[in-house]
Amino acid sequence: AQSVTQLDSQVPVFEEAPVELRCNYSSSVSVYLFWYVQYPNQGLQLLLKYLSGSTLVKGINGFEAEFNKSQTSFHLRKPSVHISDTAEYFCAVGGNTGGFKTIFGAGTRLFVKA
Amino acid sequence: NAGVTQTPKFQVLKTGQSMTLQCAQDMNHEYMSWYRQDPGMGLRLIHYSVGAGITDQGEVPNGYNVSRSTTEDFPLRLLSAAPSQTSVYFCASSPYRGQKETQYFGPGTRLLVL
Repeated sequence: AQSVTQLDSQVPVFEEAPVELRCNYSSSVSVYLFWYVQYPNQGLQLLLKYLSGSTLVKGINGFEAEFNKSQTSFHLRKPSVHISDTAEYFCAVGGNTGGFKTIFGAGTRLFVKA
Repeated sequence: NAGVTQTPKFQVLKTGQSMTLQCAQDMNHEYMSWYRQDPGMGLRLIHYSVGAGITDQGEVPNGYNVSRSTTEDFPLRLLSAAPSQTSVYFCASSPYRGQKETQYFGPGTRLLVL
């Protein structure tokens, strides 16, 4: 069975500082990994995804994530955050097992302070 | 192109009442799903559909029914509302089968069951 663990429920950070949101997954099969962002009172939208190939994936709004198979991790990073990055971030995993199910983590609330 | 739309945005129900949450997409996506979002639990899959006339259960289907008579619409029915169904409900769609696909989310419906 697949699962996703987001290691921090809340991450406060000052504006222009770097940030890393941590995500670990477990799966016995090949995985596809996603990061989604949810701004206040909105639905989720895709930030980036890893399907195969280069382990460093670049997404929208200056975010990137690195797939580490040996550590079973897919941490999200941004070198310099902005107030507008305040949102909830969800890591998700889809496995190559057939069906149509994506498993979401519990979410990490990023709070950027001035 | 409106994407994924959901109505209503907010609803208050009394225990035992029934209601239908509406979801529609205008992207001709084959796959649609319903999630509920609860604090600290991320998104959990309720039901999904791989095409018109085909639906299946997700992680937490009890107390909910779905149908898919057209490609565009995927309503979620609460048969007899319970306080445990207080949550934020998201509908999502994606163009093709498979867990590589990006999901497109609606803005959500906030449901309060008293």
